Amino acid sequence: QSALTQPPSASGSPGQPVTISCTGTSSDVGGYNYVSWYQQHPGKAPKLMIYEVTKRPSGVPDRFSGSKSGNTASLTVSGLQAEDEADYYCSSYAGSNNVVFGGGTKLTVL
Amino acid sequence: QVQLVQSGAEVKKPGASMNVSCKASGYTFTSCYIHWVRQAPGQGLEWMGIINPIGGSTSYAQKLQGRVTMTRDTSTSTVYMELSSLKSEDTAVYYCARGPNYYESSGYRKPNFDYWGQGTLVTVSS
Repeated sequence: QSALTQPPSASGSPGQPVTISCTGTSSDVGGYNYVSWYQQHPGKAPKLMIYEVTKRPSGVPDRFSGSKSGNTASLTVSGLQAEDEADYYCSSYAGSNNVVFGGGTKLTVL
Repeated sequence: QVQLVQSGAEVKKPGASMNVSCKASGYTFTSCYIHWVRQAPGQGLEWMGIINPIGGSTSYAQKLQGRVTMTRDTSTSTVYMELSSLKSEDTAVYYCARGPNYYESSGYRKPNFDYWGQGTLVTVSS
């Protein structure tokens, strides 16, 4: 399985919205509603932010939201805060009991 | 509270094997899948495989087939991941992560990793 495609970087000013895309194929992102997003700060383990495309775990701020259209999933942060600066990874079920991650996006808060 | 505690850092020579453990607590060990994910220095996340703690069935990433083995010990709530024939490219931080409940519909398909171990750095160097 090939990694999902994410932009290497994204940025925005505090309070502004930013969207990160995650493009796959009909065999992964487009074929299942099993897309998750993870936030990772330097030296830390990833943290689940969105699961099953749009669901938010308890404790995750509601400024984080997920969506999907065709083979592309998206993570939107509606009002950037300084602590949102981190790496973000998407992941998807890819069939045949496999999971695939995206290459990651470094989000910078300007 | 749910915790996944991994074994400590290792240094291995090329061709050797590594074995990382992941001890679960704070929930019923057999109720949730466990996944392994690794991250090479400065690189992204790579899924390695999944183990069903109830029956011990596994599924591995195609890239690692033949070199990776995941097992579990229900008496100690511990999952083990062994990677053999190590290469320098296997240098990475290895994470275990809890997946969905085994009884959840299509749980094995969902990359919903809600708790992660602290990570184990394995360095492969001659």
